[in-house]
Amino acid sequence: DADVTQTPRNRITKTGKRIMLECSQTKGHDRMYWYRQDPGLGLRLIYYSFDVKDINKGEISDGYSVSRQAQAKFSLSLESAIPNQTALYFCATSDGTGLLAPKADTQYFGPGTRLTVL
Amino acid sequence: GQQLNQSPQSMFIQEGEDVSMNCTSSSIFNTWLWYKQDPGEGPVLLIALYKAGELTSNGRLTAQFGITRKDSFLNISASIPSDVGIYFCAGQFLAGQNFVFGPGTRLSVLP
Repeated sequence: DADVTQTPRNRITKTGKRIMLECSQTKGHDRMYWYRQDPGLGLRLIYYSFDVKDINKGEISDGYSVSRQAQAKFSLSLESAIPNQTALYFCATSDGTGLLAPKADTQYFGPGTRLTVL
Repeated sequence: GQQLNQSPQSMFIQEGEDVSMNCTSSSIFNTWLWYKQDPGEGPVLLIALYKAGELTSNGRLTAQFGITRKDSFLNISASIPSDVGIYFCAGQFLAGQNFVFGPGTRLSVLP
């Protein structure tokens, strides 16, 4: 089974609708991330969480919110979807123990959710 | 903010050829990661580099951490059709900090 799973894998919705994307991980990592991918722009960080009680805005957080329900679950919400939020969305996790074990500090990605807002 | 540039943006090569691509930054990074993304999938980690000058291999892939700490290189030898995809670099300044991702190099392998 995959270590990082995302649901749904594909979603088409209309402008103004509320959408939630979910991410679950079995890696036991404390840190979880949401990224957005647009053609030619690479991955841009939306929100990240270092533990259940810690939520931080990333580079492009406007129009998005998150919830860290448990160590293993991190969901991304679009309160009122708009067409320019059409993109691929990726969840990622990391061990985050870089200060003690730098070689553990890498990111592992889920398979992605393709979101289309009409 | 910090930005990474990757070159080339895209490349078409013949099967069997070697491939070279690079990632450059205007600021120093102390960790470099290289990922590959297949169509419809998430990025998969290929190689991680943690020391300036480090040269690390993973099968036909070899990556180097540039001496200046502002660049990294990825080479693929004897390319095969399944090498097709987008290759991303990511840099991190301090362990525990967030990573910055490059825009990717799209590789196409012609039979």
